[in-house]
Amino acid sequence: NAGVMQNPRHLVRRRGQEARLRCSPMKGHSHVYWYRQLPEEGLKFMVYLQKENIIDESGMPKERFSAEFPKEGPSILRIQQVVRGDSAAYFCASSPRGPNSYEQYFGPGTRLTVT
Amino acid sequence: AQTVTQSQPEMSVQEAETVTLSCTYDTSESDYYLFWYKQPPSRQMILVIRQEAYKQQNATENRFSVNFQKAAKSFSLKISDSQLGDAAMYFCASTDSWGKLQFGAGTQVVVTP
Repeated sequence: NAGVMQNPRHLVRRRGQEARLRCSPMKGHSHVYWYRQLPEEGLKFMVYLQKENIIDESGMPKERFSAEFPKEGPSILRIQQVVRGDSAAYFCASSPRGPNSYEQYFGPGTRLTVT
Repeated sequence: AQTVTQSQPEMSVQEAETVTLSCTYDTSESDYYLFWYKQPPSRQMILVIRQEAYKQQNATENRFSVNFQKAAKSFSLKISDSQLGDAAMYFCASTDSWGKLQFGAGTQVVVTP
């Protein structure tokens, strides 16, 4: 059973470009969480999705950021018009079930660098 | 709302010795879980140990154990017989009812030969 996969592992974008980060959860997992880790800081929750639904996006910046988890395919975190402050490591974690579940498995992360 | 506080930015320990990392938390959830994650230089998040809040017995995983004090909202991690491979950033975290994790700022563990 493959683990959580994220791609790309490293992404470089110029200011103003769009960044698309992909997360393929573990087989059988229908719940995905995205976290952001700024340099020298801990991980911060961004969004929690189930298939085709956003459950909790309380950690998402109000502008430029969006996330989806379609019925087929990976979960996508999209950042429009990137700025230098978006440079960070973005992690996704998947879970086989939702509320009251503690089983979250992390991917290796995508390191986004904005030049 | 949840908060997790790790007050030790860095801890140093000699090989084979024991080190204890501190963590305090605050939550309004009645049912929650607590975790310690390890993040080596590869940045992969590795689950070290977890504790269900309703269990009074402290969790243990090989050389890793916790001291869970629910009333004090304290959740410390003890690493026994430290090894060079234990060197990493350690994060304390708690969940809410939706499973989302709230992390502390981390403690860097340095292991010296």
